[in-house]
Amino acid sequence: AQSVTQLGSHVSVSEGALVLLRCNYSSSVPPYLFWYVQYPNQGLQLLLKYTSAATLVKGINGFEAEFKKSETSFHLTKPSAHMSDAAEYFCAVSVHTGGGNKLTFGTGTQLKVEL
Amino acid sequence: GAGVSQTPSNKVTEKGKYVELRCDPISGHTALYWYRQSLGQGPEFLIYFQGTGAADDSGLPNDRFFAVRPEGSVSTLKIQRTERGDSAVYLCASSLRGNNEQFFGPGTRLTVL
Repeated sequence: AQSVTQLGSHVSVSEGALVLLRCNYSSSVPPYLFWYVQYPNQGLQLLLKYTSAATLVKGINGFEAEFKKSETSFHLTKPSAHMSDAAEYFCAVSVHTGGGNKLTFGTGTQLKVEL
Repeated sequence: GAGVSQTPSNKVTEKGKYVELRCDPISGHTALYWYRQSLGQGPEFLIYFQGTGAADDSGLPNDRFFAVRPEGSVSTLKIQRTERGDSAVYLCASSLRGNNEQFFGPGTRLTVL
């Protein structure tokens, strides 16, 4: 079975500082991995995805993530945090099912950006 | 174009009542997913439709939960004899067949008193 672990339910950074949100996965097959962002009272928005092409994936809003098979990790980074980045971030692994791809999510990391 | 829409945005009901939650996917998306997000948790998979049929309903917690998609577009999640533990945000997502990118709706926040 696939699973995702997000270390740190809350992360706080200063504006302009590096953002690092951690995600480790467990999968019996080569995984598809995703990062989603959720702003208050809004749906999930896809930030980026890894689907077995380049291991360094660039997404929207300056975020990127690197797939490291040896470490079973897919950490999310952004060089310089902005106030608008404050939100909850979810890492997810995709499981192929009946022609579809159901997502297994981590418990999320709430990012706070301080002045 | 229009994204995934869900109605109602909020639903408050009493324990034991029946509720229906509606999802309108992106036009042309044949795959539709329901997830449930409890407070402080990530979304959990409930059911997946490909067209009109439920291809995977392994995430439905028990037989009080049922979902339909009769014409392969709009889907309705039905919960009978609601319990306080059913309180959560119910999310719907859609995608093109075979595409791993799912587009999520804003969710329906269900509160069972």
